[in-house]
Amino acid sequence: QKEVEQDPGPLSVPEGAIVSLNCTYSNSAFQYFMWYRQYSRKGPELLMYTYSSGNKEDGRFTAQVDKSSKYISLFIRDSQPSDSATYLCAMSGTSYDKVIFGPGTSLSVIP
Amino acid sequence: DGGITQSPKYLFRKEGQNVTLSCEQNLNHDAMYWYRQDPGQGLRLIYYSQIVNDFQKGDIAEGYSVSREKKESFPLTVTSAQKNPTAFYLCASSYKPGQVYGYTFGSGTRLTVV
Repeated sequence: QKEVEQDPGPLSVPEGAIVSLNCTYSNSAFQYFMWYRQYSRKGPELLMYTYSSGNKEDGRFTAQVDKSSKYISLFIRDSQPSDSATYLCAMSGTSYDKVIFGPGTSLSVIP
Repeated sequence: DGGITQSPKYLFRKEGQNVTLSCEQNLNHDAMYWYRQDPGQGLRLIYYSQIVNDFQKGDIAEGYSVSREKKESFPLTVTSAQKNPTAFYLCASSYKPGQVYGYTFGSGTRLTVV
């Protein structure tokens, strides 16, 4: 079993839809959770990070962590064509541990 | 503007050749990393460096070598011993080692064996 798993997609939604992107993980020691966005042929950029369980909101984006289920989610409200990208989840045990990345989910928002 | 510069953007390697990928940062970050990205797989760590003149192997270091002679620079050499080098290579940096609050990534180098 991989440490971090993501549905690779591709996921295609109409503009304005609510998008839900998810990751599951196996290591209960993970405490730091991040979401990166990667446009085609570019490096990933950090979207959001959360510590431990709970929700965090930033504009149209909401990150959710459920440590009891080892499940994290990223919700995108009012999705835009500019949100079309690959979304990578990432996580780590302590602030000095190696960060483990998921394989990414490819999202297309259709105008 | 601060950031990470990777060059070249595209690189073609013949069988048996060594090639070097450049990574330069002007963020004054201590730690630097090299990742390999293949379709359907997460980023895999090749090497990382927490301080000048020191570096450690990541999960897939075989066939690769690095140096860290300057804080700003962390070049990666893909040697002929790397049997499947075709991939997208990403360099990243962080203010402190294992900075969970976010890596800064370069735009990547796409290496193709011809």
